[in-house]
Amino acid sequence: DAKTTQPNSMESNEEEPVHLPCNHSTISGTDYIHWYRQLPSQGPEYVIHGLTSNVNNRMASLAIAEDRKSSTLILHRATLRDAAVYYCILRDVTGSYDKVIFGPGTSLSVIP
Amino acid sequence: NAGVTQTPKFQVLKTGQSMTLQCAQDMNHNSMYWYRQDPGMGLRLIYYSASEGTTDKGEVPNGYNVSRLNKREFSLRLESAAPSQTSVYFCASSEWVTDTQYFGPGTRLTVL
Repeated sequence: DAKTTQPNSMESNEEEPVHLPCNHSTISGTDYIHWYRQLPSQGPEYVIHGLTSNVNNRMASLAIAEDRKSSTLILHRATLRDAAVYYCILRDVTGSYDKVIFGPGTSLSVIP
Repeated sequence: NAGVTQTPKFQVLKTGQSMTLQCAQDMNHNSMYWYRQDPGMGLRLIYYSASEGTTDKGEVPNGYNVSRLNKREFSLRLESAAPSQTSVYFCASSEWVTDTQYFGPGTRLTVL
């Protein structure tokens, strides 16, 4: 089963860029890479997703390795409100939903 | 739009009691999900409903039942609560199973 691995925690200074890595070495050709984040005491919220090409939106950028075995979520200027747990998950575009694995994620701390 | 709403927000049960967690979405989504999140852990999928009239087991279905009452509502029932079911429960919805999920605020359940 395709799964992801992320560092348990990372720190960043406020207003500096943050690069959050995710490894997914067993990714299949039909898996989209999705990122969510969870602020304290809230439900997860969608951040960004992609298949093969790098993606940008108002919240973040997603850089996907050429072999798709890893990806990086980029927050261009970290703010205190970005302190959260970030989850990288795989979603099968064919609709298979046997299990969607949200691992422990990466807990991001932002230092003022 | 309220998005995904969950009731109750908090609940304390005694071992053996039963209860139903309610979830509703107003985004006209086809797919709905129930997750649980234990302290310091990621989310684990309990059950999902790919479309109205269908339900399927996720990763950790034991001890739970679900009902997709209509397109808007998806309830989770604990027939005989156990302390191991102490957790935060999140409901989510998406257009289809491959799409971005939108999460509710969660129900914090304690079983004594």
